[in-house]
Amino acid sequence: DIVVTQSPDSLAVSLGERATINCKSSQSVLYSSNNKNYLAWYQQKPGQPPKLLIYWASTRESGVPDRFSGSGSGSDFTLTISNLQAEDVAVYYCQQFYNTPSYTFGQGTKLQIK
Amino acid sequence: QVQLQESGPGLVKPSQTLSLTCSVSGGSISSDDYYWSWIRQPPGRGLEWIGYIYYSGTIYYNPSLKSRVFMSVDTSKNQFSLRLTSVTVADSAVYYCARDRKRGPSSSWYLLGAFDTWGQGTMVTVSS
Repeated sequence: DIVVTQSPDSLAVSLGERATINCKSSQSVLYSSNNKNYLAWYQQKPGQPPKLLIYWASTRESGVPDRFSGSGSGSDFTLTISNLQAEDVAVYYCQQFYNTPSYTFGQGTKLQIK
Repeated sequence: QVQLQESGPGLVKPSQTLSLTCSVSGGSISSDDYYWSWIRQPPGRGLEWIGYIYYSGTIYYNPSLKSRVFMSVDTSKNQFSLRLTSVTVADSAVYYCARDRKRGPSSSWYLLGAFDTWGQGTMVTVSS
């Protein structure tokens, strides 16, 4: 089974600073057929469904502020939130897609304001 | 703007069958472009993909649930459904329906591999 592990489990960052969340997959999510890394990032606020932020590791979904950025390739990925705003307080999930098909989520990272 | 809405009983007894429906509005479930999924989230925990269905009836289930899951689509009602049999307390969760979409030309398309639209979710509690 594919395992997706996020780190840290929680973090506290000051307003205006940068938050970094890491995600590691137990196997590569890079598809040679289209050279896409099938890794997505979501933001979930209490009582709401997850919201897609990033797909293909680094492509921002329409309407997502550019302070959210994704990077990485293969099995190691990072979500960076620059200039942290109060409304960014949430749980963040990464999710990989494998062509079996299967979708596997990380355990989540809780982001708070310091 | 496509919207998804889950519906179904909020309480199910152990060993019985959980049944939920996702209604699609603002777009057609019969579109070539989308695959429709169920995802669940136990209270205070992470997300688990249950399976997906295509309007033509193509289905894939999470192997961990495959023996208990059944999904179907009703294009006339613009809905798709989930049945989970022999439920236990461990199946208590918020159940979401969600959508993955195709990208690329029709001759060489590929999935986004992510869920761009979600329902609000419905809490299902398994309890006697």
